[in-house]
Amino acid sequence: GQNIDQPTEMTATEGAIVQINCTYQTSGFNGLFWYQQHAGEAPTFLSYNVLDGLEEKGRFSSFLSRSKGYSYLLLKELQMKDSASYLCAVIKAAGNKLTFGGGTRVLVKP
Amino acid sequence: DVKVTQSSRYLVKRTGEKVFLECVQDMDHENMFWYRQDPGLGLRLIYFSYDVKMKEKGDIPEGYSVSREKKERFSLILESASTNQTSMYLCASSLRRPQAFFGQGTRLTVV
Repeated sequence: GQNIDQPTEMTATEGAIVQINCTYQTSGFNGLFWYQQHAGEAPTFLSYNVLDGLEEKGRFSSFLSRSKGYSYLLLKELQMKDSASYLCAVIKAAGNKLTFGGGTRVLVKP
Repeated sequence: DVKVTQSSRYLVKRTGEKVFLECVQDMDHENMFWYRQDPGLGLRLIYFSYDVKMKEKGDIPEGYSVSREKKERFSLILESASTNQTSMYLCASSLRRPQAFFGQGTRLTVV
């Protein structure tokens, strides 16, 4: 089976940095996704890590350590529009289905 | 642009009714998925399909069935709706690469 854990909620100030951690346990691993979901909207793709290390994409970066079963999403220079839920999802080696964590709700305050 | 379209944004049905949720994608994707999303539980996979007429159970298939008669369309069926099926339902599709594209969601209320 798969257990995917991430904090329920985080609060940060506009312009600051926030790091959202995700830990997972899975019998097979073929990559980890981060999605952003604004309230009432569909999740949208942010990043995909399959190898260890840091992937940077503008203000957002995602890190993966397969040996530790650990990932984080780093949001820099926070903007009010970054207030959303951030979903960590793991894909197993066999098959294409994603298994999601419960999501982390990030609230950005002025 | 990638497009996954769900037939309704909001739906209210009565207990015991048969409910159809429709999802269409225009990207020629092989894989299609149905999730439900509930507060504190995240997205949970109900059913998925790798090809036309093929379906596999996800993590919570009880009370649901699916149909995939055409590649672009994946339907979720609630044979006899119950109040515990009140939820947000999200459809997604993907190619062989696992990145999934989501529809806008259907918020179903069963009264």
